[in-house]
Amino acid sequence: KAGVTQTPRYLIKTRGQQVTLSCSPISGHRSVSWYQQTPGQGLQFLFEYFSETQRNKGNFPGRFSGRQFSNSRSEMNVSTLELGDSALYLCASSRWTSPRTDTQYFGPGTRLTVL
Amino acid sequence: DQQVKQNSPSLSVQEGRISILNCDYTNSMFDYFLWYKKYPAEGPTFLISISSIKDKNEDGRFTVFLNKSAKHLSLHIVPSQPGDSAVYFCAASARGGSEKLVFGKGTKLTVNP
Repeated sequence: KAGVTQTPRYLIKTRGQQVTLSCSPISGHRSVSWYQQTPGQGLQFLFEYFSETQRNKGNFPGRFSGRQFSNSRSEMNVSTLELGDSALYLCASSRWTSPRTDTQYFGPGTRLTVL
Repeated sequence: DQQVKQNSPSLSVQEGRISILNCDYTNSMFDYFLWYKKYPAEGPTFLISISSIKDKNEDGRFTVFLNKSAKHLSLHIVPSQPGDSAVYFCAASARGGSEKLVFGKGTKLTVNP
């Protein structure tokens, strides 16, 4: 079956702009989580959505937001971009919400560069 | 505050030898641990996991050891193969609450032919 897809794969923006990233989970998966990967910090959890509701949120400023649609597709938005937002943004999907019982499958990520 | 630490940014081993990747954690609430492997231009893929009720879990060439008293876990790959060259992330989940995964910064493993 098709894996997790993320669009776009690469994005270049300038400071102060906003950006929207998209994630399509594996068919039948209802949970979508977003992570930010930077060389200095590794993977950091942004938020998780399940059945269109945000279940968990990481320690990121309010400029980072997300949503999930009824077909489980998810978007994340970053407003007022800063240089430090340059990172690989990864989306992961799973059937349910517990990583203990349900493997998370990651997409290839969106590489965001802020100039 | 880094709750999951992978203190070795990189590791190089010869093909056929053992690779040992280490991970330390500080949060005593963590009771479930996972290893992910990541190739360039791809997302991480799940490799192996271990619950705190065990001290060892094995899957083919991959074995994870957990030392709860030391808050330390390690991933052993035997024998190492060039295709194992990737970045390996250790992750942990705490019982109760959100159970969200907390990742380390990763260790880049290079297996030389």
